[in-house]
Amino acid sequence: DTGVSQDPRHKITKRGQNVTFRCDPISEHNRLYWYRQTLGQGPEFLTYFQNEAQLEKSRLLSDRFSAERPKGSFSTLEIQRTEQGDSAMYLCASRQGQGQNIQYFGAGTRLSVL
Amino acid sequence: DAKTTQPPSMDCAEGRAANLPCNHSTISGNEYVYWYRQIHSQGPQYIIHGLKNNETNEMASLIITEDRKSSTLILPHATLRDTAVYYCIVPPLLPSNTGKLIFGQGTTLQVKP
Repeated sequence: DTGVSQDPRHKITKRGQNVTFRCDPISEHNRLYWYRQTLGQGPEFLTYFQNEAQLEKSRLLSDRFSAERPKGSFSTLEIQRTEQGDSAMYLCASRQGQGQNIQYFGAGTRLSVL
Repeated sequence: DAKTTQPPSMDCAEGRAANLPCNHSTISGNEYVYWYRQIHSQGPQYIIHGLKNNETNEMASLIITEDRKSSTLILPHATLRDTAVYYCIVPPLLPSNTGKLIFGQGTTLQVKP
């Protein structure tokens, strides 16, 4: 257990539905990242928060995707109008604000869009 | 971004040293090399990082060449639990130093009994 929690662990949805994932980082970590991983590939960066501010978004994050970190603690990632291509593992990671770039990853949320 | 190149797969006998190479020929002078691994069905796990000197911790050793264009991760006594995908990563400092990790395909290490 890394201390980063993600919920749910698995989500099955039908195409066109909206889904929301939650990430609870390690409490003293003010930096939070979302990544997406498809089968057989390495994780791909989606977005980055420093406290509550979303400071970087990948081009992979289409306008159907939105992420928030309202109080600088937990974060949510919402996908609207899901498509089959959204099927993937969604990973959250957190790290301390200062010091080296050591990220602690959650176990991920596996999304299957039918 | 400093791209990294790793062999897609390697085998290692249990109890022997596993040496995983990585090329990062475009690395800039103040970019670090990080190694993470991902065991099946888990999130990635940090292993070790370095700038120019060799580094060792309880998990592994990292050897960085003098020109910094390549490095080798060494697992001194591999066990079956070390079977995983190993990623060599050089997080970009530009245009903004957000610390995002750029994962390649990594090396799948299979430790065999």
